[in-house]
Amino acid sequence: EDQVTQSPEALRLQEGESSSLNCSYTVSGLRGLFWYRQDPGKGPEFLFTLYSAGEEKEKERLKATLTKKESFLHITAPKPEDSATYLCAVQARDDKIIFGKGTRLHILP
Amino acid sequence: SQTIHQWPATLVQPVGSPLSLECTVEGTSNPNLYWYRQAAGRGLQLLFYSVGIGQISSEVPQNLSASRPQDRQFILSSKKLLLSDSGFYLCAWSVHAAYSNQPQHFGDGTRLSIL
Repeated sequence: EDQVTQSPEALRLQEGESSSLNCSYTVSGLRGLFWYRQDPGKGPEFLFTLYSAGEEKEKERLKATLTKKESFLHITAPKPEDSATYLCAVQARDDKIIFGKGTRLHILP
Repeated sequence: SQTIHQWPATLVQPVGSPLSLECTVEGTSNPNLYWYRQAAGRGLQLLFYSVGIGQISSEVPQNLSASRPQDRQFILSSKKLLLSDSGFYLCAWSVHAAYSNQPQHFGDGTRLSIL
């Protein structure tokens, strides 16, 4: 069964304390893996697409990486405005998109 | 640039009343369109998707229906709301392409409360 698991469920960091969020997946024929940021009461905002193992994407303090079994979202020297829920989604060969439950990130000033 | 609009932002409805949520997309043609429901701790659940006018696919059996009367308009409806229909409803679009591994772009959602 296709599955996406994100860990941890929640993470509290001090401002400037770097860390990584994990997205583990089992899917038949990965077409793409997507990372989103979601602020409270808002829709998810697209961040990155990764298509194949070894691929990396960067945007400001965020860097996404992909292996054959998981993806990491690395956050370097985070700021309070990086606080949000980060969602991972994978698209399988049959075009179905499966979302993880997200990681709630809280950056303390 | 492309934009997606959803309305209303919040809605409080009594059990048994009808529902109509609307979503429109600007700046693109023939997009794929999606309706999701997001429940706390359960992630995003795909309800309906559409690859063209009048073409609707349902992912889960439920009390809801969807329609696409125009290329960039997607409507979520119900004839009689249930308490279990409460939730956060999100509309999304993606590029309609031969290789469909394109990201989805979301609206800001409708918070629906059923009393």
